[in-house]
Amino acid sequence: RKEVEQDPGPFNVPEGATVAFNCTYSNSASQSFFWYRQDCRKEPKLLMSVYSSGNEDGRFTAQLNRASQYISLLIRDSKLSDSATYLCAVNIMKTSYDKVIFGPGTSLSVIP
Amino acid sequence: DAGITQSPRHKVTETGTPVTLRCHQTENHRYMYWYRQDPGHGLRLIHYSYGVKDTDKGEVSDGYSVSRSKTEDFLLTLESATSSQTSVYFCAISEHNQPQHFGDGTRLSIL
Repeated sequence: RKEVEQDPGPFNVPEGATVAFNCTYSNSASQSFFWYRQDCRKEPKLLMSVYSSGNEDGRFTAQLNRASQYISLLIRDSKLSDSATYLCAVNIMKTSYDKVIFGPGTSLSVIP
Repeated sequence: DAGITQSPRHKVTETGTPVTLRCHQTENHRYMYWYRQDPGHGLRLIHYSYGVKDTDKGEVSDGYSVSRSKTEDFLLTLESATSSQTSVYFCAISEHNQPQHFGDGTRLSIL
């Protein structure tokens, strides 16, 4: 089993739709969690960190469920500009260094 | 945007030649990482550094070496490039328990 797994996608949704992505992780020692967005042929960019209590940034909501070991990203009122690949990242902090594992990504296409 | 510069941005070279990619940061972050990204594989960690002269292997380190002689620079070397190393290479930096920030990437083609 991979350490971090994501919905395989692709997700094709109409403008205005709500879409949710899930990401599961296998290491219970994982300490911090992030969502990234990657546009085609570009570098991944931090979308948001994921906090234990859940957090929201405009149309984006991130949730963490430590008991079930998954994080989620909800996008409301999808825009054409939301089309991208979304990567989750999990930080497993070791004694002297951080180990960050990225999921394979889920592709989203928002259709007019 | 985080101050990360990768060089070169594009490179085409021949099998068997040595190649060095450079990652330079102006953020004084402790951690630096080299990834490769290929279709169907996502981001795969090659090597990382947790301090000057402190480096360790990632999941796909074979055929690659790294050096970090000062905080701001992390070099990735392909001693003898092979066609399987054709990829997009990303450098990333972070502080402890903080998200990583990525450079623009280097597109490397090995013919």
